[in-house]
Amino acid sequence: NAGVTQTPKFRVLKTGQSMTLLCAQDMNHEYMYWYRQDPGMGLRLIHYSVGEGTTAKGEVPDGYNVSRLKKQNFLLGLESAAPSQTSVYFCASSYSRTDPDMNTEAFFGQGTRLTVV
Amino acid sequence: SQKIEQNSEALNIQEGKTATLTCNYTNYSPAYLQWYRQDPGRGPVFLLLIRENEKEKRKERLKVTFDTTLKQSLFHITASQPADSATYLCALDSRVIKAAGNKLTFGGGTRVLVKP
Repeated sequence: NAGVTQTPKFRVLKTGQSMTLLCAQDMNHEYMYWYRQDPGMGLRLIHYSVGEGTTAKGEVPDGYNVSRLKKQNFLLGLESAAPSQTSVYFCASSYSRTDPDMNTEAFFGQGTRLTVV
Repeated sequence: SQKIEQNSEALNIQEGKTATLTCNYTNYSPAYLQWYRQDPGRGPVFLLLIRENEKEKRKERLKVTFDTTLKQSLFHITASQPADSATYLCALDSRVIKAAGNKLTFGGGTRVLVKP
């Protein structure tokens, strides 16, 4: 049982380049999230998805796009990378959080360290 | 928007003592609050969830309290050990508040260093 797997683990991009970060989960979770973590800023939500084919903006969505074509995968795209997008990116997943009685903890991947030069 | 604040200063504590971390939030009350542990270079790992109608929750040496009047949660590590050294994050779980859109919003985390 792999849990949440992020690809790649490290990447260096030049300003203006594009890339896609892949997140895959094998727990049949409905919800998936993309966060970025910067020193002193904590985890900030970029985009999230409450089910296959649906996405929603989080706290810092500008410069990013996402897609959830399959339930197990959540892709984060950077169309034109900027140095301000240098960060550690975390993907997470959880069961549906509409049931108030469920302990719907989020399971995180190991992170992707992205540097934009 | 929701705002969550944790003490950004590292907490240095002697082994065997109790570490107490604070999580304060503003704007509206979450239905639930979660606590996570994060080790360097790793993703956060879930520890505890406490509901707004629960005053206290325990798990082994961990204790969490939730005061919706003060808009504050306290996280205690009793009989702390060097292996408890990590960053601890609180997160607001607004699943039953429609306007919040089912987000899980994190604080900045507090680093704990337990010295032998």
